[in-house]
Amino acid sequence: DTQMTQSPSTLSASVGDRVTITCRASQSISSWLAWYQQKPGKAPKLLIYKASSLESGVPSRFSGSGFGTEFTLTISSLQPDDFATYYCQQYNGYFQTFGQGTKVEIK
Amino acid sequence: QLQLQESGPGLVKPSETLSLTCTVSGGSISSSSYYWGWLRQPPGKGLEWIGNIYYSGSTYYKPSLQSRVTISVDTSKNQFSLKLSSVTAAETAVYYCARHTRINIYGLLIAGNVDNWGQGTLVTVSS
Repeated sequence: DTQMTQSPSTLSASVGDRVTITCRASQSISSWLAWYQQKPGKAPKLLIYKASSLESGVPSRFSGSGFGTEFTLTISSLQPDDFATYYCQQYNGYFQTFGQGTKVEIK
Repeated sequence: QLQLQESGPGLVKPSETLSLTCTVSGGSISSSSYYWGWLRQPPGKGLEWIGNIYYSGSTYYKPSLQSRVTISVDTSKNQFSLKLSSVTAAETAVYYCARHTRINIYGLLIAGNVDNWGQGTLVTVSS
């Protein structure tokens, strides 16, 4: 299995801050990576697919980058609605795996 | 607008079989553009992929669950189902059904990212 490691596990930030979350794969996954946002009691929501493609309807303050084993999700200016938990997911083959999640908290 | 809805018992006894069904509305499960899948999330923990199915019936499962998992599809009802046998308390979780994109990697047509999720259903494993 390809292991996915996110950092940090928790992030404290203020409205307006630029926020970056990192996801590292245990082996190369090319660009086959997605990012999801999850709020308490809700299903996850797709933000980014294929490492850097913005899902339709997702605000442009979200962006993704990376290739191979290191990826980042950036929120350019954190908004109140963005306080949530974020997960990366690799799908470079038949078996998919998720990172452990990064909780973005209010500072 | 595509909707997925999980249904099934919310309480399962240890060692028994967990059975859930996902009903798809607002789109056809027989679309060649998608795979369908099951994922789960224990309370307070992260997401875990369980497996995928294509409308033709081809499946693949998380290796550590392979011996206990069956995912099936009923195209006439626009539904797909999950069976997980010999469950333990550690498998108490919110179970999600989902639609995955179908992508081409190295000539293989496989499930990609999830683009639509069900609302999830909590299944508790307890006697």
